[in-house]
Amino acid sequence: DSGVTQTPKHLITATGQRVTLRCSPRSGDLSVYWYQQSLDQGLQFLIQYYNGEERAKGNILERFSAQQFPDLHSELNLSSLELGDSALYFCASSNGTGLLGNQPQHFGDGTRLSIL
Amino acid sequence: AQKVTQAQTEISVVEKEDVTLDCVYETRDTTYYLFWYKQPPSGELVFLIRRNSFDEQNEISGRYSWNFQKSTSSFNFTITASQVVDSAVYFCALSPAIGAGSYQLTFGKGTKLSVIP
Repeated sequence: DSGVTQTPKHLITATGQRVTLRCSPRSGDLSVYWYQQSLDQGLQFLIQYYNGEERAKGNILERFSAQQFPDLHSELNLSSLELGDSALYFCASSNGTGLLGNQPQHFGDGTRLSIL
Repeated sequence: AQKVTQAQTEISVVEKEDVTLDCVYETRDTTYYLFWYKQPPSGELVFLIRRNSFDEQNEISGRYSWNFQKSTSSFNFTITASQVVDSAVYFCALSPAIGAGSYQLTFGKGTKLSVIP
C-alpha cells in the first residue's frame, strides 16, 4: 500500500461528458503529480501541484484541469471527453521540495477511465 | 528535453534464470535522478529504486541489482534467479535534479517481463 488513494477505481462514461478524478496524497506529502497511461503514448506527466499551487505542466490538454485543495487532496477534471481520453490516470505524491531534493514519487492504484 | 529508451519491449525467461532489463537515457542536466518502477498485472506502480547522478555505485537489494554507468548513459536492472512473481512491466524513469522546482518523471515505454514456471 503506497498510502496514495485514488477514487474512483473505474469510470465509464460517454463522449462529451465531464468527469472528476480524486487523489489523496500520503500523509505529509505536499506535492501531487498526475500522469496518464495509454497504450499509444505510454506514461506521460500531465501536471504537478505543490502545497496548493501549480508547479509544472506537461502534456496536458486544455480540456483538462486540476487543482489542489487546502487539505492537499487533488482533483483532475476532464471535460468534453473523447474516445482517445480512455486511459489509466495515476496520481503520485512526494515530499519533494528544493531543500529535500527529489524524493521518490509514490503512486496510487490509478483510475481507469473508459469512454464509450 | 529528457528521454528514456527501453529497447526491450518484451522478455520471456524461465524461472530461476537471470534477466537484465536495459535502460538508456538522455538529458542535458548535469545532475538528475533515475528510477525504476514495477507495474504488476494488477496495474499499480511500485517504486523500486532511486539513484542520483552523483552516485555510480552499483546497488543490490536481494535478488535485484542495478548497474548505473554515466559514461554510457545507462541504468540497467538485473533480476537474479527470477520468479513467477517478477512477471510485470518494468519502467525506467528520469527526473530533473535538486532545485529544479518540479521533479516530474519522464518514463520509458516499459519492458514486459514474463517469467515462465
